[in-house]
Amino acid sequence: DAGVIQSPRHEVTEMGQEVTLRCKPISGHNSLFWYRQTMMRGLELLIYFNNNVPIDDSGMPEDRFSAKMPNASFSTLKIQPSEPRDSAVYFCASSLKTRTVATNEKLFFGSGTQLSVL
Amino acid sequence: AQSVAQPEDQVNVAEGNPLTVKCTYSVSGNPYLFWYVQYPNRGLQFLLKYITGDNLVKGSYGFEAEFNKSQTSFHLKKPSALVSDSALYFCAVREAGNQGGKLIFGQGTELSVKP
Repeated sequence: DAGVIQSPRHEVTEMGQEVTLRCKPISGHNSLFWYRQTMMRGLELLIYFNNNVPIDDSGMPEDRFSAKMPNASFSTLKIQPSEPRDSAVYFCASSLKTRTVATNEKLFFGSGTQLSVL
Repeated sequence: AQSVAQPEDQVNVAEGNPLTVKCTYSVSGNPYLFWYVQYPNRGLQFLLKYITGDNLVKGSYGFEAEFNKSQTSFHLKKPSALVSDSALYFCAVREAGNQGGKLIFGQGTELSVKP
């Protein structure tokens, strides 16, 4: 398996532009997470999905942020309009949630998208 | 609310010496505890976890962690550090039994192992 695949690897955009980050989770995984990493705030959970359904989006900073998971193999995180303070590394992670705790909770992270908003 | 703290921003160790990266947590019930490692320009990688059972948990690359309920700690340890262990280490916690609960990460500790 290729692991969690994120695109683009780097994104540089101007303030006010729309940004779309993409994620392909590991095949068979049923939970997907979007995290944001900055020096100031560390690793923050933005939103997560179970079986393509958003479960908790309380970490989404503002209405400018939205996330979708139209099917089990694809998710997007959109920022519209983008602002310089959105500059960060955005990680997508997936896991297999089952009724057996021992196999649960091991997150597999993508390599991240480095977003710079000028 | 659950939280996790890593009191040290950076830990410096000489190669061959033992290392400890500290982590304390707070949850209302029993914890599920995890350690992840992040190498430069990479996503986090799972190292080990404590769910139940033995307090000493062994993980990847020779790392281990000890769950101490009375001190609410889950320190990461390795008997002999390698230069290649240099990376950013994250402790994480989730409340046991809360299937909808979030995995909360600490701020991270940068481990630097010098030859």
